[in-house]
Amino acid sequence: AQSVTQLGSHVSVSEGALVLLRCNYSSSVPPYLFWYVQYPNQGLQLLLKYTTGATLVKGINGFEAEFKKSETSFHLTKPSAHMSDAAEYFCAAGKTSYDKVIFGPGTSLSVIP
Amino acid sequence: DVKVTQSSRYLVKRTGEKVFLECVQDMDHENMFWYRQDPGLGLRLIYFSYDVKMKEKGDIPEGYSVSREKKERFSLILESASTNQTSMYLCASSSSRVRNQPQHFGDGTRLSIL
Repeated sequence: AQSVTQLGSHVSVSEGALVLLRCNYSSSVPPYLFWYVQYPNQGLQLLLKYTTGATLVKGINGFEAEFKKSETSFHLTKPSAHMSDAAEYFCAAGKTSYDKVIFGPGTSLSVIP
Repeated sequence: DVKVTQSSRYLVKRTGEKVFLECVQDMDHENMFWYRQDPGLGLRLIYFSYDVKMKEKGDIPEGYSVSREKKERFSLILESASTNQTSMYLCASSSSRVRNQPQHFGDGTRLSIL
């Protein structure tokens, strides 16, 4: 069965530092991959997605992610953290019927002033 | 802009009550989903629907049912609420017209069962 893992349930970074949130998926065939962000008391908002083509994907708010087939990874990065980036981040993979996706457990990002 | 609206942001109900959570989308999407979100567990799929009057069980359907009488509306029903159903419930929708389009989410309903 396909699964998505996110290393680190909580990550803290200083404002201006690099953000790195890790995501690995299990599948013999590369799936479609997504990163979502959830701000407090809100639903999930799409940050970026990988379907086919270029393996480095740019999203909103300065985030990007790189699909690495050999490592079955799709890590999320941002060069310089901002206070407004504090939120919960979910990685998700889809390769099932009817556009179902499997979500990772989430990583809570804190940004320290 | 895409809009998924959940009828209540916060809801408090009692054990044994029948609870309805409503979700409406205005994007003419074929697919609609109900998830529950619990700390450390991420999002778990309860039910989904890919067409009017069609439904499929997700990973945790026990204790829940759904209804989709119109394309834009997808209702989640707790037949007899229990305290272990206290959670955040998220509704989402997506299009089938282009493969694996992202899901669009509502703001969630935080449900407490007392």
